[in-house]
Amino acid sequence: GNSVTQMEGPVTLSEEAFLTINCTYTATGYPSLFWYVQYPGEGLQLLLKATKADDKGSNKGFEATYRKETTSFHLEKGSVQVSDSAVYFCALRRGYGNDMRFGAGTRLTVKP
Amino acid sequence: ETGVTQSPTHLIKTRGQQVTLRCSSQSGHNTVSWYQQALGQGPQFIFQYYREEENGRGNFPPRFSGLQFPNYSSELNVNALELDDSALYLCAITGMNTEAFFGQGTRLTVV
Repeated sequence: GNSVTQMEGPVTLSEEAFLTINCTYTATGYPSLFWYVQYPGEGLQLLLKATKADDKGSNKGFEATYRKETTSFHLEKGSVQVSDSAVYFCALRRGYGNDMRFGAGTRLTVKP
Repeated sequence: ETGVTQSPTHLIKTRGQQVTLRCSSQSGHNTVSWYQQALGQGPQFIFQYYREEENGRGNFPPRFSGLQFPNYSSELNVNALELDDSALYLCAITGMNTEAFFGQGTRLTVV
């Protein structure tokens, strides 16, 4: 079936450190891929997306590249800030008529 | 982005009761989905509505039901509440590139 696996947390980094959160997927066809962020007590916010192979999604210094050959969509940021502390979810969707599948989430804590 | 509003934000119910959660969007999208997010987990798909008809359902029992109205607002109804139904319930509309835009959620606690 269609599923997403992301690295388990929690992840704790110092401010200005480099961030990588791994995400791999299993899907039939060509899904769209997403990263969402959830701050405490809030819903999910779309962080970035990629709709086809080799696309790079980017937003607020975060990047992820859709790698079909490795079925991966790893999230990266060159220099994290305390305000990036949140839970990050990788997700996929195979099309409009299909549901969105999420990973279990990775909690990131950035310390000053 | 289109604002998605859910109500109420928090709710406490007793086991066996029924609950109705509501969702609306500023611009009126014809596809709305509901998700359940248990503590420490990713969201799980409950069902999706398109033009007032259910057109997809996850692994949830029939006591989870929904409605979509002509103005594209939506309701999630849960009957015979169980303790395990305690979770954050998220409503989402679908964007042009199949992305989902979520509301802030309703935190349901069943005691």
